[in-house]
Amino acid sequence: GQQVMQIPQYQHVQEGEDFTTYCNSSTTLSNIQWYKQRPGGHPVFLIQLVKSGEVKKQKRLTFQFGEAKKNSSLHITATQTTDVGTYFCAGIRGDKIIFGKGTRLHILP
Amino acid sequence: DTAVSQTPKYLVTQMGNDKSIKCEQNLGHDTMYWYKQDSKKFLKIMFSYNNKELIINETVPNRFSPKSPDKAHLNLHINSLELGDSAVYFCASSVQGGTGELFFGEGSRLTVL
Repeated sequence: GQQVMQIPQYQHVQEGEDFTTYCNSSTTLSNIQWYKQRPGGHPVFLIQLVKSGEVKKQKRLTFQFGEAKKNSSLHITATQTTDVGTYFCAGIRGDKIIFGKGTRLHILP
Repeated sequence: DTAVSQTPKYLVTQMGNDKSIKCEQNLGHDTMYWYKQDSKKFLKIMFSYNNKELIINETVPNRFSPKSPDKAHLNLHINSLELGDSAVYFCASSVQGGTGELFFGEGSRLTVL
C-alpha cells in the first residue's frame, strides 16, 4: 500500500543551527501537507504544497515539493527553542491522507 | 471558541470496560476523522466520515465503533478495552475529505490498566 517515509526520526540541534526533515512517498502525490505538534499538544497545520517543484517560505521555514511530487522537505534556518516539537508530513492521494512517522526535534540551549 | 473539541481529555479505565469519546466541530466542515497516536507518536487514521457517511475504515477492530449523529459530531465508542488501546485519540475535521487542511482537537489520552 501507499507509504510515506519520513527521516530522520529524531534530531538534536544546538539552538541557532539549521534543521531539515525529509519525506518520501512510494507513489506520486496530488499534494503534501506539513504539521507541527508541540510536546503535549495536537498537530497544527503549517502549509500545503500542490505544484511540482513548489517552494514556499514562512519566516525561517522553507518547504519544498519535489519535481516528481514524491518527496518533500522542511528546512528551518537558525532554530529557536520555540521550534521544539514533532514535524509531520502528510501525503495526499485521492481522498487519502497518509502521515509520515514524524521527526522529533530537540533544541539544545 | 474551540474549533474542534473533544471530551474527555483524559480517560483512565480498566481492561474490559467500554468507553466513549465525543467530538464536535463548529467550523461547518463536511469531513471528520479519528486518528490514533501511539507512544511513539505515530499518527494513524482510524475512520473518516463525510456528511455522516463512513468513508474510511482502516482495519480497525470491531470493538471500535464510530457514530456520527450529524456532520458536526463524530463520537468514538470502544468496547472491551485492551491494554494496546492506550493512546492519544485525536479527532479532526476538514472542509473537503482528503484535500483540505486538517483541524485537530486537543486529543483524548486513554490509559487502559
